[in-house]
Amino acid sequence: NAGVTQTPKFRILKIGQSMTLQCAQDMNHNYMYWYRQDPGMGLKLIYYSVGAGITDKGEVPNGYNVSRSTTEDFPLRLELAAPSQTSVYFCASSYSTGLNEKLFFGSGTQLSVL
Amino acid sequence: ELKVEQNPLFLSMQEGKNYTIYCNYSTTSDRLYWYRQDPGKSLESLFVLLSNGAVKQEGRLMASLDTKARLSTLHITAAVHDLSATYFCAVGQYGGATNKLIFGTGTLLAVQP
Repeated sequence: NAGVTQTPKFRILKIGQSMTLQCAQDMNHNYMYWYRQDPGMGLKLIYYSVGAGITDKGEVPNGYNVSRSTTEDFPLRLELAAPSQTSVYFCASSYSTGLNEKLFFGSGTQLSVL
Repeated sequence: ELKVEQNPLFLSMQEGKNYTIYCNYSTTSDRLYWYRQDPGKSLESLFVLLSNGAVKQEGRLMASLDTKARLSTLHITAAVHDLSATYFCAVGQYGGATNKLIFGTGTLLAVQP
């Protein structure tokens, strides 16, 4: 039972480079999210999706883009990486907003921009 | 804009002692979640609280929700070292196409032997 799978686990980027963080879930969840966690801080919502083809901005969307072409995948794209994007990125999913619903988190991607 | 605040940010306590972590939020919500994060690990769901007065308990942890006061508490009873972790509360913001959780800053709990 894979759950939420994120790749890569670690990555170092140079300023100005771009990359895509991959996220896949095998639980047939409609809702998917990208969060970033800066050292010693809580999670900030970057983007979320309520279903294939539908995405929306969260609290800190600048510098990122997302797409949701399938229910399973929700990649996060960084264009022109900046040091301020150094963080740990978590992808999460949930089936719905129904009672007792909770988020399932991936193991995270640690990104350093130097 | 929904804001979620936790206190304390850091808590050092001895084994066997009791303590409470507080989570305040700024706008109406009927869904509050507590998560645990071990160092270098992902987040693990602890509790989902869905109504005013809701109380849930798991082992030495008990969570409660007061929607009128916009306050949730996570009470630790007779702490043990294994409870050392960072605890986050998160408040659900739903409506229309909106569906997201806003997290607090977290409380780093260190239980000393």
